[in-house]
Amino acid sequence: DGGITQSPKYLFRKEGQNVTLSCEQNLNHDAMYWYRQDPGQGLRLIYYSQIVNDFQKGDIAEGYSVSREKKESFPLTVTSAQKNPTAFYLCASQLPGGWNSPLHFGNGTRLTVT
Amino acid sequence: GIQVEQSPPDLILQEGANSTLRCNFSDSVNNLQWFHQNPWGQLINLFYIPSGTKQNGRLSATTVATERYSLLYISSSQTTDSGVYFCAVIFSGGYNKLIFGAGTRLAVHP
Repeated sequence: DGGITQSPKYLFRKEGQNVTLSCEQNLNHDAMYWYRQDPGQGLRLIYYSQIVNDFQKGDIAEGYSVSREKKESFPLTVTSAQKNPTAFYLCASQLPGGWNSPLHFGNGTRLTVT
Repeated sequence: GIQVEQSPPDLILQEGANSTLRCNFSDSVNNLQWFHQNPWGQLINLFYIPSGTKQNGRLSATTVATERYSLLYISSSQTTDSGVYFCAVIFSGGYNKLIFGAGTRLAVHP
């Protein structure tokens, strides 16, 4: 089945450790996105990538890093510099055609840092 | 500033009731989507509707781009409709970023 796979579903880390969240898609989509959601709030954009080997900061990029070495993969690293990393992280991809195409989301990763 | 505002923030319905959710946006858009987030956090595409009207079963949506608002209609609501409904837009102006509203939290009681 085609889709967006985020893993793991739940992730627990100690404060001060970096952690990498996986996002893989087999939809042949060019653009991929990472969003963060805090309890009771909407989604905020962390990073996005239009093509391989290129990515742009979103609204809340501080404390996060990404890479886009392959079209199918867009991993997000939450670094120790991120002050409040506990959140729900959602990855999305988008058909070619830019902003006229709908985004499709994975099922998310819940990160808890203690 | 650029904004996406949804109303009402919370809505409680009896099963079988109809409802209308509203999304106002502050500038012209290239992309507007409605999503339903279920209690497990899954974000489900409902409509891609930068303009016009679409229907899918008990749900329908209308976007009036010139007046900068979109409406999501839920008819004959069911308990499975509970969750949070998000409107998200990509504003015209060169930024390919989907910006979300704060959502409408819907609870449908039997």
